[in-house]
Amino acid sequence: AQKVTQAQTEISVVEKEDVTLDCVYETRDTTYYLFWYKQPPSGELVFLIRRNSFDEQNEISGRYSWNFQKSTSSFNFTITASQVVDSAVYFCALSGRGSGNTGKLIFGQGTTLQVKP
Amino acid sequence: NAGVTQTPKFRVLKTGQSMTLLCAQDMNHEYMYWYRQDPGMGLRLIHYSVGEGTTAKGEVPDGYNVSRLKKQNFLLGLESAAPSQTSVYFCASSPTYWTGKDNSPLHFGNGTRLTVT
Repeated sequence: AQKVTQAQTEISVVEKEDVTLDCVYETRDTTYYLFWYKQPPSGELVFLIRRNSFDEQNEISGRYSWNFQKSTSSFNFTITASQVVDSAVYFCALSGRGSGNTGKLIFGQGTTLQVKP
Repeated sequence: NAGVTQTPKFRVLKTGQSMTLLCAQDMNHEYMYWYRQDPGMGLRLIHYSVGEGTTAKGEVPDGYNVSRLKKQNFLLGLESAAPSQTSVYFCASSPTYWTGKDNSPLHFGNGTRLTVT
């Protein structure tokens, strides 16, 4: 069975602090995809990143970075120098490969990040 | 280009009432999905469709029915609403094949907030 665990329910930081959101996944697939989505207070879901299982290279995009480690089944997300606009719910998700599985994502419970000024 | 459009945005039902949520996409995507979002549980897949005229059950299908009579539309029906169906419902669509590392496979609508009293 596939499963995604985001153990941190809520995180509160002060602006400019760095923060890491943890994501641990379980899957028996040898090929799979991992995702992060952001849900700001307005409610829409915003795609942040997709990684495939055979690419463990870390990713950096501005203040955002992702650390993918197959050895620990983790795909953690770090925000450097957090800003108030980063306040949102963040979801980690997992998808297996194969016909019909394209969008059948397994989502974690979500982590609510509050960045205080 | 509207993407994925959900109708209505908000709805309040009484227990036992029925309703249909409409999802329309203009991207010619083959796959469409209905997810529900509940606090502390992330998003869970209700039903999905891999093409016009096809539907399949997801993780939490009980109490819902779906239809995909036209490729661009995916309807979610509640025949007899229950308070446990109070949730935010997201529709999404995806192409058969993903292209590019930065593309999200799922294009989400903005959600429908349903309250059942």
